[in-house]
Amino acid sequence: SQTIHQWPATLVQPVGSPLSLECTVEGTSNPNLYWYRQAAGRGLQLLFYSVGIGQISSEVPQNLSASRPQDRQFILSSKKLLLSDSGFYLCACGLAGVGGANVLTFGAGSRLTVL
Amino acid sequence: AQSVTQPDIHITVSEGASLELRCNYSYGATPYLFWYVQSPGQGLQLLLKYFSGDTLVQGIKGFEAEFKRSQSSFNLRKPSVHWSDAAEYFCAVGAPGYSTLTFGKGTMLLVSP
Repeated sequence: SQTIHQWPATLVQPVGSPLSLECTVEGTSNPNLYWYRQAAGRGLQLLFYSVGIGQISSEVPQNLSASRPQDRQFILSSKKLLLSDSGFYLCACGLAGVGGANVLTFGAGSRLTVL
Repeated sequence: AQSVTQPDIHITVSEGASLELRCNYSYGATPYLFWYVQSPGQGLQLLLKYFSGDTLVQGIKGFEAEFKRSQSSFNLRKPSVHWSDAAEYFCAVGAPGYSTLTFGKGTMLLVSP
């Protein structure tokens, strides 16, 4: 089964500073990869997903970007953080199951606080 | 597009009592349905999933869920709740050919002694 590594686990950054959150996957190849953000009371918001190297789909236009430089590496970035970027960021890996359904496995998350 | 509604933001259940968490979805055909659980500060763990076939699905930790097409529901149940079940529970819907899942806003389960 696949394992997802996310780092850093916790990050405190000033407004206007850059951001880089990294996610790597073990135990599978050519997975679909996802970045979700979780804010209190708002559930999970899909930010980006990728079905292959260099292929990024953005679900919500905002201050963030994503890249997939390698098959099992997914990076979430920002050039200038906003207060509203604070939240809990989850990386997920999806593998096709029966009928092509994506069963998602999640990493442990990265807690970002922007001050 | 799919959507998911979890009507209850918080639910409190006594330890040993039965549990039912509600989930309603919107999708034009038979969806793929999931329940995930999240402990504080952690990622999400898959409890169970429904793709097709038997509408009553069994999951980990003694949980089960029933797909009811007529009610567009996929409610999660457990006959006897343990204190360790206290967590946030998310229902999610997917569909054939879609790479993404749509999640509900979650239900926080509190377990009282």
